[in-house]
Amino acid sequence: GDSVTQMEGPVTLSEEAFLTINCTYTATGYPSLFWYVQYPGEGLQLLLKATKADDKGSNKGFEATYRKETTSFHLEKGSVQVSDSAVYFCALSRFSGYSTLTFGKGTMLLVSP
Amino acid sequence: AAGVIQSPRHLIKEKRETATLKCYPIPRHDTVYWYQQGPGQDPQFLISFYEKMQSDKGSIPDRFSAQQFSDYHSELNMSSLELGDSALYFCASSGLRLNTEAFFGQGTRLTVV
Repeated sequence: GDSVTQMEGPVTLSEEAFLTINCTYTATGYPSLFWYVQYPGEGLQLLLKATKADDKGSNKGFEATYRKETTSFHLEKGSVQVSDSAVYFCALSRFSGYSTLTFGKGTMLLVSP
Repeated sequence: AAGVIQSPRHLIKEKRETATLKCYPIPRHDTVYWYQQGPGQDPQFLISFYEKMQSDKGSIPDRFSAQQFSDYHSELNMSSLELGDSALYFCASSGLRLNTEAFFGQGTRLTVV
């Protein structure tokens, strides 16, 4: 079945450091890929998405590129802020417009001043 | 903009009791999803409805049932509650015909004691 694997956390960074959170997936066909963010005590917010190979999703300085050849969708940000501290979930759906999601385990990011 | 509304936000029940969680999707969204997120875990898909019909089923226990009503709101009914049912329950909605991704509510935190 479909699955998503993320790097384990917590990831601890200083403000303005470069961020990478690795995500790889296993799925049949051509899934859509997502990054969701969860702040403490809150729901899941869509951060960015990509629906086909080589698409780059971007939002709020975060980027991720859909790499079909490596089945990856790594999240990056050039300069993190304290306010980016949250749990980040990589997720996939079987195809664009089909929104039942399979999530990774989540990666906690802690950014210190 | 209107978001997904879940009620109640917090619920405490005793073992073997029943609980009902409600979800009000974003207007014009035709699909509702329920997810369960245990402490420190990734969200697990339970069940979804499209136009008031069950559209997909995940790891929903037989003790749980759900439905979507004519006004598109959905309810998750949980009976014979167990300690292990303590979790954050998320509802999400999407517009399948609109081809929009899923938007999540703030969640209902259920504690079974």
